Amino acid sequence: DGGITQSPKYLFRKEGQNVTLSCEQNLNHDAMYWYRQDPGQGLRLIYYSQIVNDFQKGDIAEGYSVSREKKESFPLTVTSAQKNPTAFYLCASSVQGTGNTIYFGEGSWLTVV
Amino acid sequence: AQTVTQSQPEMSVQEAETVTLSCTYDTSENNYYLFWYKQPPSRQMILVIRQEAYKQQNATENRFSVNFQKAAKSFSLKISDSQLGDTAMYFCAFMKPYFQGAQKLVFGQGTRLTINP
Repeated sequence: DGGITQSPKYLFRKEGQNVTLSCEQNLNHDAMYWYRQDPGQGLRLIYYSQIVNDFQKGDIAEGYSVSREKKESFPLTVTSAQKNPTAFYLCASSVQGTGNTIYFGEGSWLTVV
Repeated sequence: AQTVTQSQPEMSVQEAETVTLSCTYDTSENNYYLFWYKQPPSRQMILVIRQEAYKQQNATENRFSVNFQKAAKSFSLKISDSQLGDTAMYFCAFMKPYFQGAQKLVFGQGTRLTINP
């Protein structure tokens, strides 16, 4: 089945450690995105990538890093510089072009302990 | 910068009733896109309906329809014959055209909708 796969679903991290969230899509979409959701709030954009080997900062990029070496993959690293990393992280993708719908994966819960 | 406001943090209705969720947005753009997403307890974001600002006709998808008032910058979602499975958080989102920048969604804070049996 076509879709967006995020892993792991649940992740616990100790303070000071980096952690990488995986996002893979088999929809042949050019654009991929990472959003963060805090309890009771909407989504905020962390990073996005429109083509391979290129990505741009979103609204809350500090403390995060990404790579886009393959069209299908867009991993997100939450670094120790992120001051409040506990949140729900959603990966998304879309066909390139104006107004195309953005589709989401099932999300990953990150808890810092 | 664009902003999206959902003024109803929570709503609750009985099964089979009709419910309307409100959304207003602020933008200086003339062409843009609006979306309603549903987030059930599983937390996955699911597209409910979308509207192109250049279209005057309101979008409909089965029991879901919108009332798009461009001049008022209002984009409400109506759910008819509500079902228990409609219980979820509903997010309104704005997207400006790609040619003016990257294709990004700006989300409202969400409305938690509960359908009671």
